Amino acid sequence: KQEVTQIPAALSVPEGENLVLNCSFTDSAIYNLQWFRQDPGKGLTSLLLIQSSQREQTSGRLNASLDKSSGRSTLYIAASQPGDSATYLCAGEGGTDKLIFGTGTRLQVFP
Amino acid sequence: DAGVTQSPTHLIKTRGQQVTLRCSPKSGHDTVSWYQQALGQGPQFIFQYYEEEERQRGNFPDRFSGHQFPNYSSELNVNALLLGDSALYLCASSLGGTFTYNEQFFGPGTRLTVL
Repeated sequence: KQEVTQIPAALSVPEGENLVLNCSFTDSAIYNLQWFRQDPGKGLTSLLLIQSSQREQTSGRLNASLDKSSGRSTLYIAASQPGDSATYLCAGEGGTDKLIFGTGTRLQVFP
Repeated sequence: DAGVTQSPTHLIKTRGQQVTLRCSPKSGHDTVSWYQQALGQGPQFIFQYYEEEERQRGNFPDRFSGHQFPNYSSELNVNALLLGDSALYLCASSLGGTFTYNEQFFGPGTRLTVL
C-alpha cells in the first residue's frame, strides 16, 4: 500500500526565508506528482504538476522536483511571504489516475 | 470560466441519516473524483466517475455511493451516517479518456458534521 510522508509536519519562519518542504513515497512507482496549497477549511489549489516525462516544474517563487528513482519530491519556496501561510500537500499518481496524498506541512510565515 | 463547484458548503446530520453532496466539474472536464479529508489528514480517494460509470473505487464501504449525470455533474451519497463520516468532502474534476494523467482541479469542498 502506497504511503506518503511529508516532512516537516509544521514550520514557522520569518518572512524572507527560503523554504524546503519534503515528500516521500513508500512505493517509488510515481508517474505524476502534484503539489497543492490548502487554506484553513478550504479546498485545494493546485500549485505545480510534474508529469511523467518531467523532473521538475517552476511557477514564480515555487519550484518542485521529483526523483523517481527514490520516490521523493521537494517543494522549494523562495523569499517566503506571510501570504504563503497555508498547508502544503503533495499527491502522487501511480498510473491509476487517483491521487495518494500526504498529511501535509502546515506553514506559518510571520512578518 | 467556472471552476469546480460543490454544494452545499456545510451540512449537519445526525447518526443514521443519509446525505447527498453535489459537484459540478470544471468546464470541459468529463471525469469526477471524490475524496474524503478528515481533520488534520490528507484527502483519501473514495471513487471516480467517467462516462456515467464508477471507474475505480478506494477503500470505502458500500454505504458510500455515487452517480454521474450526462452533463458530467456528480453526486456522492452516504447512507447510515456514522460519527466518523464527519469530514471535508472534496470533488475533483479532470479530462479523462486518455492514456496520460490529466491534472485534477478541486472544488471548495462540503463540510459534513455528523452528530
